[in-house]
Amino acid sequence: EVQLVESGGGLVQPGGSLRLSCAASGFTFSTYSMNWVRQAPGKGLEWVSYISRSSSPIYYADSVKGRFTVSRDNAKNSLYLQMNSLRAEDTAVYYCAGALGMTKFDYWGQGTLVTVSS
Amino acid sequence: QSALTQPASVSGSPGQSITISCTGTSSDVGGYNYVSWYQQHPGKAPKLIIYDVSDRPSGISNRFSGSKSGNTASLTISGLQAEDEADYYCSSYTSSNTLAFGGGTKLTVL
Repeated sequence: EVQLVESGGGLVQPGGSLRLSCAASGFTFSTYSMNWVRQAPGKGLEWVSYISRSSSPIYYADSVKGRFTVSRDNAKNSLYLQMNSLRAEDTAVYYCAGALGMTKFDYWGQGTLVTVSS
Repeated sequence: QSALTQPASVSGSPGQSITISCTGTSSDVGGYNYVSWYQQHPGKAPKLIIYDVSDRPSGISNRFSGSKSGNTASLTISGLQAEDEADYYCSSYTSSNTLAFGGGTKLTVL
């Protein structure tokens, strides 16, 4: 059974940092590109970041460029998102999603909630 | 990075067909055959139902179909069922090597 399990979410103050993790199982993680997608409460989906199978190339949405860093460890079947300089508008459920190519998001995690508030 | 444009809501009766549009530009929807559609039930993760404009993943009902004309992609659901009530999102690859999502469409089955 394919599983993507996010962790690391929580409450953080504006300007703070948080590191999200996504543990993959049930599929060959190293053959999939990975993405982070977020959804603010009651809002739509927003793509955040893409990392290829080999960790290059990497792409970011303009809204997070320079503040967020995506990485992966194929040996540990894990994806990460380091989030710095967090803002209230970063409050959202963060999903990791596995894709063949950049656009076919076959697998999704259940999401982890990040709340940025003082 | 602009979101793709979808209607906020659509509705239909069981058995009917509905179509959801997704309008972008020549830099995204119109420029590539990389449009996907996702279904999201409340409190759940999105689920891929169409990729590469009109292809269905294994296990997805053939009641779901996709198409594209110019800068507008469309998702058609035929033979509406109660379980189709959900939010639907389109997405497209863009010329900036990013991914754009539509704002989402709430489907109500009357």
